[in-house]
Amino acid sequence: DARVTQTPRHKVTEMGQEVTMRCQPILGHNTVFWYRQTMMQGLELLAYFRNRAPLDDSGMPKDRFSAEMPDATLATLKIQPSEPRDSAVYFCASGQGEDSGNTIYFGEGSWLTVV
Amino acid sequence: AQSVSQHNHHVILSEAASLELGCNYSYGGTVNLFWYVQYPGQHLQLLLKYFSGDPLVKGIKGFEAEFIKSKFSFNLRKPSVQWSDTAEYFCAVSNQGGKLIFGQGTELSVKP
Repeated sequence: DARVTQTPRHKVTEMGQEVTMRCQPILGHNTVFWYRQTMMQGLELLAYFRNRAPLDDSGMPKDRFSAEMPDATLATLKIQPSEPRDSAVYFCASGQGEDSGNTIYFGEGSWLTVV
Repeated sequence: AQSVSQHNHHVILSEAASLELGCNYSYGGTVNLFWYVQYPGQHLQLLLKYFSGDPLVKGIKGFEAEFIKSKFSFNLRKPSVQWSDTAEYFCAVSNQGGKLIFGQGTELSVKP
């Protein structure tokens, strides 16, 4: 059963520490999204990639966040330095093809708490 | 820029009641429309989607949605809700570039 895999599932870290979240998209999917979910803001699109190239990262705070796809099987989202306001659930999702109507599939999320 | 607006933040219904959740979007071009559901503590799952053709779309678990282009709306409906439908529901829109934007979500609580 193909699925999007995210690690870590849960992370508690101190303010100022670096946090790296990883995502393995479904094999064959060439589009990867990073979303952040909070009670106040809902689901915010941080960045998305197609064929490993970033298409849009306008939703991501550039000063501390960075997203990359080192290869087709790995997407990373890094926060450095982390702040308490970064506490949220970070979801990765992947989809296939160029068609914007293709379904995307979500991972189970990385629950981040910054204290 | 595209945006999605869900009118109801929290809806409370009794079992067997009918459900309609509102969703309006803002985007000038061709769009694809989705409803996702998130059960407590879980990730988002696709309920249904509209690409083209019949504006009345049927999804899983008895849900359906109607695309009304003139109103920029894509409301979700279910004739009779069950306690197991308690979840958060998200409307989403993607443009031709594949950028998928979500609404704020509607929390549905169904009382047994």
